[in-house]
Amino acid sequence: AQTVTQSQPEMSVQEAETVTLSCTYDTSESDYYLFWYKQPPSRQMILVIRQEAYKQQNATENRFSVNFQKAAKSFSLKISDSQLGDAAMYFCAYRSSIGSGTYKYIFGTGTRLKVLA
Amino acid sequence: DTEVTQTPKHLVMGMTNKKSLKCEQHMGHRAMYWYKQKAKKPPELMFVYSYEKLSINESVPSRFSPECPNSSLLNLHLHALQPEDSALYLCASSLRLAGGSQETQYFGPGTRLLVL
Repeated sequence: AQTVTQSQPEMSVQEAETVTLSCTYDTSESDYYLFWYKQPPSRQMILVIRQEAYKQQNATENRFSVNFQKAAKSFSLKISDSQLGDAAMYFCAYRSSIGSGTYKYIFGTGTRLKVLA
Repeated sequence: DTEVTQTPKHLVMGMTNKKSLKCEQHMGHRAMYWYKQKAKKPPELMFVYSYEKLSINESVPSRFSPECPNSSLLNLHLHALQPEDSALYLCASSLRLAGGSQETQYFGPGTRLLVL
């Protein structure tokens, strides 16, 4: 069975600094999708960034980038130039491939990010 | 319109009540999802509809009954719930159930349910 692990329950970063959130996963599939979601307090969950496992190039979205290490089953999120609005719970998520025959969408336990002014 | 709306925002119900949660989107999305999120926990997928047909049921108890009457609307009917069912119920939608960018999920704000 697939699992997603976020080992950092809470992280803090100074405004304008860089922070990296870690995520590891376990799967026997070779094709899958990985996501980082942001859930601000009392606000809607939004997708931050997506990575297809078959793509070697790390995904980037403005100040957000990932370090995808397929062999190590690691998928960390780097937030550059942190802003107060980045404060939220961040969830790493795994989605099984279309061809696997089973649909799995699994979230990690989350990392709460605090941004210090 | 890039919004998923959910009503009600809050719901308190007794264990013998019947109630429904509603989710609506007008983005032309053909996949819709229900998640359950307990406090300080990650969301757990419950159901997925694709083109108004139930595609995935993650072994959810029958006291939860989903319904997708049309492509814009998703309901979750609740009956004889238990106190442990108290949680935030999130709805999401995506263009397709296809993986990749077409499956980018847009989440609603959730309905906070308390079962007494």
